[in-house]
Amino acid sequence: AQTVTQSQPEMSVQEAETVTLSCTYDTSENNYYLFWYKQPPSRQMILVIRQEAYKQQNATENRFSVNFQKAAKSFSLKISDSQLGDTAMYFCAFMKPQGGAQKLVFGQGTRLTINP
Amino acid sequence: SAVISQKPSRDICQRGTSLTIQCQVDSQVTMMFWYRQQPGQSLTLIATANQGSEATYESGFVIDKFPISRPNLTFSTLTVSNMSPEDSSIYLCSVGLGKTGNTIYFGEGSWLTVV
Repeated sequence: AQTVTQSQPEMSVQEAETVTLSCTYDTSENNYYLFWYKQPPSRQMILVIRQEAYKQQNATENRFSVNFQKAAKSFSLKISDSQLGDTAMYFCAFMKPQGGAQKLVFGQGTRLTINP
Repeated sequence: SAVISQKPSRDICQRGTSLTIQCQVDSQVTMMFWYRQQPGQSLTLIATANQGSEATYESGFVIDKFPISRPNLTFSTLTVSNMSPEDSSIYLCSVGLGKTGNTIYFGEGSWLTVV
């Protein structure tokens, strides 16, 4: 069974700084997807970024980028020029596709606080 | 991205009652997924709902407690039956969208408090 580990329960940085959230996973699969989700106090799960395992290029979405190290089974999220609105819980998730969407396996989350 | 609507967004429920949560997607999807997030915890999959067949439940979740309907390709319901305070959680539906259906999006969540 796949497992996802987020080793940082909480992080705190100053506004405009860069912050990196860690995620490692365990799988014997070769083809899979990895996700980062943001959950603000509203509790909605918002997709931040997605990475396909067969793509070597790291995914980027504006201020958000990932460092995907397939051999090391590591999938960290970098937030550049952090903003107060980035304050949220961040969850890393793994999915093994089988002819379409399948269930996500989540890490325990990292609570990120951006301080003014 | 598609719109995924959940109702209710929040409710306070009496112990012993049941509540049905609705999830509506504005595009047709094969699979819909129901997750539970207990206070301070991560998300755990309850069941997978495939249109036209019985839902598939994860270990620790049973149909009598969490019956699911999937009447068409855009709609599903999750009922939380005979609620106790331990059922106080956020319940979220999710679907796969995009070209391959492998980008997973969530509804806004339904925050239930059982008193």
